[in-house]
Amino acid sequence: DTEVTQTPKHLVMGMTNKKSLKCEQHMGHRAMYWYKQKAKKPPELMFVYSYEKLSINESVPSRFSPECPNSSLLNLHLHALQPEDSALYLCASSQDGKTVFGPGTRLTVL
Amino acid sequence: EDKVVQSPLSLVVHEGDTVTLNCSYEVTNFRSLLWYKQEKKAPTFLFMLTSSGIEKKSGRLSSILDKKELFSILNITATQTGDSAVYLCAVLNYQLIWGAGTKLIIKP
Repeated sequence: DTEVTQTPKHLVMGMTNKKSLKCEQHMGHRAMYWYKQKAKKPPELMFVYSYEKLSINESVPSRFSPECPNSSLLNLHLHALQPEDSALYLCASSQDGKTVFGPGTRLTVL
Repeated sequence: EDKVVQSPLSLVVHEGDTVTLNCSYEVTNFRSLLWYKQEKKAPTFLFMLTSSGIEKKSGRLSSILDKKELFSILNITATQTGDSAVYLCAVLNYQLIWGAGTKLIIKP
């Protein structure tokens, strides 16, 4: 298995909703990431987990809450989002520098 | 401040042409340089380069790194319409530092 999977592919939510994005990899990578990407911009790092521990939080608002239940899974819990949070949310994993991205979740906040 | 600069920002060529995309960087604690192709969805990994002067090849795509002059190039030969995409360069130190991307359009 040489890929990162993400669910759901698309998500539409209201500003009062609570939802979660899920990410899974079975490549044995020990680093996992959440990125946010707006149109025509490169990905923007949100969180880094290394060996299941949060190692980098790039000053992300608390309405985004990451969770790493085990070495293969990464979740991003969403609560009280704003319309400007609409974006493509990318999960990635890496080993020895090679970073592989999942297909992303296209999030729309109404 | 660490930075990665890609050029050109956009490029339009005809099918069959050869293109060269550039990526220059000023990044502390360089570990590697990565190239990605992005169409409508997530970036797809192309190459990771860590050593100077060693060309990496995959089909019609190739890339090389010059750590002395701090740049890399991505070559695509015999371009096809399916090569149309944004090509992203990123340099890894403690995290990936991204260039703005080159938007490549291949006309039939």
